Amino acid sequence: DTGVSQNPRHKITKRGQNVTFRCDPISEHNRLYWYRQTLGQGPEFLTYFQNEAQLEKSRLLSDRFSAERPKGSFSTLEIQRTEQGDSAMYLCASSPADQPQHFGDGTRLSIL
Amino acid sequence: QKEVEQNSGPLSVPEGAIASLNCTYSDRGSQSFFWYRQYSGKSPELIMSIYSNGDKEDGRFTAQLNKASQYVSLLIRDSQPSDSATYLCAVTRDGGGADGLTFGKGTHLIIQP
Repeated sequence: DTGVSQNPRHKITKRGQNVTFRCDPISEHNRLYWYRQTLGQGPEFLTYFQNEAQLEKSRLLSDRFSAERPKGSFSTLEIQRTEQGDSAMYLCASSPADQPQHFGDGTRLSIL
Repeated sequence: QKEVEQNSGPLSVPEGAIASLNCTYSDRGSQSFFWYRQYSGKSPELIMSIYSNGDKEDGRFTAQLNKASQYVSLLIRDSQPSDSATYLCAVTRDGGGADGLTFGKGTHLIIQP
C-alpha cells in the first residue's frame, strides 16, 4: 500500500519543547496539505503546498508553526515552544491536480 | 467566515434501512463538496465527491447537491453495522478541490443490528 505516510504515529512531549512531524505523500501527488483535528471536531486546515511552494496558510498557523516541503516530496511540520492547546491529531493529506485529497493516519501529539 | 454545519448526532438507523446525512454550508462560492468517513481513532477516508447540482451514485452511497439551497446530503442504502462511523462533510472554493477543505464537525452514525 503506497498511501500517505506520517511519522511518528504518537508523540508525547513536555510543554515548551519543539516537535517535528513528517509526511510522505502518495508518490506523484504534487499537492500536500496539513490539518489539525481535536476531539469532537472536524479537521481544521493549516497549510497547503503545491510541489515545493507553500501556497496557502491558515490564520491558525501561528508563528510557532512552520511547514516545509523542500524538494516537493515529503513535508515536515514543526511546532516550537509547544503549549497545552497544541495537543491534537495532526493530519497530512495529498492529491494530484484537480483530485480529492487522501489522508494519512495522522500523528497524535500529547503535551504534558 | 466559511462554515459547514452538520447535526452531530448520534443518528441511529436500523440495519438494512437508509441513513440520511445532511450538511449546509455558508460560502456561496463553494464549488467542490466531499463526504469523508472517519472511524474512531482513524483518519478520514474519502467516500464521495460531488461538483454539480443533482445526485451522484456510487454503490450504496448517493450524494446530493443543491447549490441554491447551499445543501449537501449523503444517503447510505442497505445500512450495515460497518457503516457506523462519523461522517464528515467538507467543502472548498476551488473547482478542482485543490484548496484547503473546510470541514463540518461530523455526524456520528450508529447502525443498529
